[in-house]
Amino acid sequence: KAGVTQTPRYLIKTRGQQVTLSCSPISGHRSVSWYQQTPGQGLQFLFEYFSETQRNKGNFPGRFSGRQFSNSRSEMNVSTLELGDSALYLCASSSGQLANTGELFFGEGSRLTVL
Amino acid sequence: TQLLEQSPQFLSIQEGENLTVYCNSSSVFSSLQWYRQEPGEGPVLLVTVVTGGEVKKLKRLTFQFGDARKDSSLHITAAQPGDTGLYLCGGDSSYKLIFGSGTRLLVRP
Repeated sequence: KAGVTQTPRYLIKTRGQQVTLSCSPISGHRSVSWYQQTPGQGLQFLFEYFSETQRNKGNFPGRFSGRQFSNSRSEMNVSTLELGDSALYLCASSSGQLANTGELFFGEGSRLTVL
Repeated sequence: TQLLEQSPQFLSIQEGENLTVYCNSSSVFSSLQWYRQEPGEGPVLLVTVVTGGEVKKLKRLTFQFGDARKDSSLHITAAQPGDTGLYLCGGDSSYKLIFGSGTRLLVRP
């Protein structure tokens, strides 16, 4: 089956702009999680959605937001970009049916550079 | 706050050598997952350990979950260049994984 698809793969923005990243999960998966990966901080959890509801949120400022659509596709938005937002943003999908997290299937990521 | 620490951060070894990577926490996790990430790709699951004291083998890779479910280790026997990558451990916590900072492994031919 097709894997997790993230778009765009690469993008360059300037400080103060906003960006929207998209994630299409594996067919049948209802849970989508977003992670930020940087060399200094590693993989940090942003938020998780299941059936259009946010079930958990990480410790990121309100400039980071997300949503999930009825077809399980998800988007995340970062407003008023800062240099420190430069990172690889990874989306992961899972069935999300169980109380535990279960196996996460990651996309290749969207690499954001903020100038 | 739940944290996972991985050691070592970097490891460069010769092909054929053995190595162990550690993942430690002061918190108890219901399960731990190990992932490997190669450049330009997302992490891929290697194994999930659930039961304290559990040992799982995946070809040359041996994973162990500590009795108290606070720590885990990954042992690679006779490392090969194809094992090169970033190894991440992730602890299960309320619909999210808390990841360690990773161990970057380079296996030289």
